[in-house]
This record gives sequence, C-alpha cells and structure tokens, in this order.
Amino acid sequence: GESVGLHLPTLSVQEGDNSIINCAYSNSASDYFIWYKQESGKGPQFIIDIRSNMDKRQGQRVTVLLNKTVKHLSLQIAATQPGDSAVYFCAESYSGGGADGLTFGKGTHLIIQP
Amino acid sequence: NAGVTQTPKFQVLKTGQSMTLQCAQDMNHEYMSWYRQDPGMGLRLIHYSVGAGITDQGEVPNGYNVSRSTTEDFPLRLLSAAPSQTSVYFCASSYEPGRPNYEQYFGPGTRLTVT
Repeated sequence: GESVGLHLPTLSVQEGDNSIINCAYSNSASDYFIWYKQESGKGPQFIIDIRSNMDKRQGQRVTVLLNKTVKHLSLQIAATQPGDSAVYFCAESYSGGGADGLTFGKGTHLIIQP
Repeated sequence: NAGVTQTPKFQVLKTGQSMTLQCAQDMNHEYMSWYRQDPGMGLRLIHYSVGAGITDQGEVPNGYNVSRSTTEDFPLRLLSAAPSQTSVYFCASSYEPGRPNYEQYFGPGTRLTVT
C-alpha cells in the first residue's frame, strides 16, 4: 500500500539555526497531514497539522509547508533549541483526518549541536 | 486533566499468555486509537474507536482485541502473546477530526516484551 516516508533518518543542526525536516508522501488522495514530535521514552506530541486546501500553516516557531504538486511536506523549526531534540514524524490521512486514516512515516531524528 | 493514561508502563509476558493494556482519557474525546511502535519505525494503527460501542480494525489488528464500553476507556487485549508482539504500545485520543482545535493526544506508552 501507499505510505509516507522521510528523506533523512538523522538531521544535525546548530543551536539557534533553523531546521527543515522533509517528508514525501505517495498517496495523492491524502488530504490531511500532521507533524509529531517524540522525545525519548515518551509518546508522540502533536505539533501542527495542515489540510490539503492550504499550502502553509504557522505555529509557534514552527511552519508546515505542503506542496501537493510534488507530494512533499516539510516542517520548519525556527531558532532551534536543545529542547527540540527529538524524533519527528509526519503522518498523512486520506479520510479527512479520521482515526482510521493516519499513516506514519518512519521518523527523522533531529540532533541539536551546541 | 490527566490527559491519556496507560497502564502498565512495562510488561514481560511468556509466549501464549494473555493480558490487557489499559488506556483511559478524561478529555471526553470521541476518538481513541491503539498503535504499536517498533524500533526505527513509525506508528502502526492496531484498532480504533469513533465512540462508545464502536470499534474497527486498523493496519495490524491480528492478535489483538478491543472494546469501548465507555467514552473514557479503551483497553487492548492480547489474546495469546507472541514474540512478534514485542513492541511499545501507544494509546491516543482526540475529538472528531475537522473541529477547529483538533489535536490527537498520546499516552506515555506501554513497553511490552514477549519471551
């Protein structure tokens, strides 16, 4: 079946720099996307979501960009802090975000260098 | 609010044993789900519920049963544990997707080892 994947398993950035985490999806019917953050030993934490009728959505220090033409999703974190170190997952859904429709990528491990 | 709680945090089972993983939420969410997470993998949906009395299968339902007798509780039962079920299990809850403040909340996880 179709699935969501991530380009890089590990991303290392300097503290204070901006981070960009990428995600490719293959299901053109997907209409809802979520980014999660998972710290070691904890459950995933919702960061931000975006629907397919939008190209960009901003939160606090985070921005999600959606390019439906190339089926690409990215998470931008501004002024990366040590507390941003975690694994980041994207998830996609083709059923409008219903509980049955989320497919998760494998995750990108974001490492913050001092 | 306690959010989503899961018990136990850790469990070791022998092959063939059965057990129930507990999940509860106090946010009056309609939607609840169970996922498993294997090393280096994303989360895979086991079972989900869109309301009390309603459950359905996810991507990897075999070997697991669920029930939803109340809005708050969504237990996951392992019928006859197998080593392939060694994993970290996460329960999640949310309001109906599409609501303005939609967000899915995850519990802290149960780490299960089957020997």
